Amino acid sequence: DGGITQSPKYLFRKEGQNVTLSCEQNLNHDAMYWYRQDPGQGLRLIYYSQIVNDFQKGDIAEGYSVSREKKESFPLTVTSAQKNPTAFYLCASTYTDHKGNTIYFGEGSWLTVV
Amino acid sequence: AQSVAQPEDQVNVAEGNPLTVKCTYSVSGNPYLFWYVQYPNRGLQFLLKYITGDNLVKGSYGFEAEFNKSQTSFHLKKPSALVSDSALYFCAVRDSSSGNTGKLIFGQGTTLQVKP
Repeated sequence: DGGITQSPKYLFRKEGQNVTLSCEQNLNHDAMYWYRQDPGQGLRLIYYSQIVNDFQKGDIAEGYSVSREKKESFPLTVTSAQKNPTAFYLCASTYTDHKGNTIYFGEGSWLTVV
Repeated sequence: AQSVAQPEDQVNVAEGNPLTVKCTYSVSGNPYLFWYVQYPNRGLQFLLKYITGDNLVKGSYGFEAEFNKSQTSFHLKKPSALVSDSALYFCAVRDSSSGNTGKLIFGQGTTLQVKP
């Protein structure tokens, strides 16, 4: 079954702990993205990657880190430096050969601080 | 600066009536516009997009959107609403300020409530 798989669906973080959200795609897409969704604020871009072993900061990268060691995978680590990490996190991907390409999203992961 | 605005936090319609969810945009150059729908606790599902050509774009689930360059709008429409259309709708524009990165700029979202 093709698509974008995010895991886990629900994750709880203790104070001072780093946690990693997984994102895998089997669509052969070049670019991958991480967005954060908070109520009433729409989606905000955290990090994106257009090619393996390269990534760029988005609008709210502080307290987050990513890696892109494989084309299919773009994990997001929420570090202890992120003071307000409770949110819904969405991974997305697309081809980069044309600006009109559709960006597709995974089913999201909920992160809650306990 | 590039931006997308969805002026209504919520739209209420009766089942069977036509619906419109509004979106206006501000971009440099040609706009690449998208509509997505989100059901509770789910990811975003692609509905339709405008790249070029016909101003009326048809998409999934009977939705369509009208691109209006002079009014810089891209309103989402459906002739006859269903209760199952109740969801959160996002308008987005491709960020063209930094080359072809594929980044999207999203509106705040509009909650559509269809009452039986």
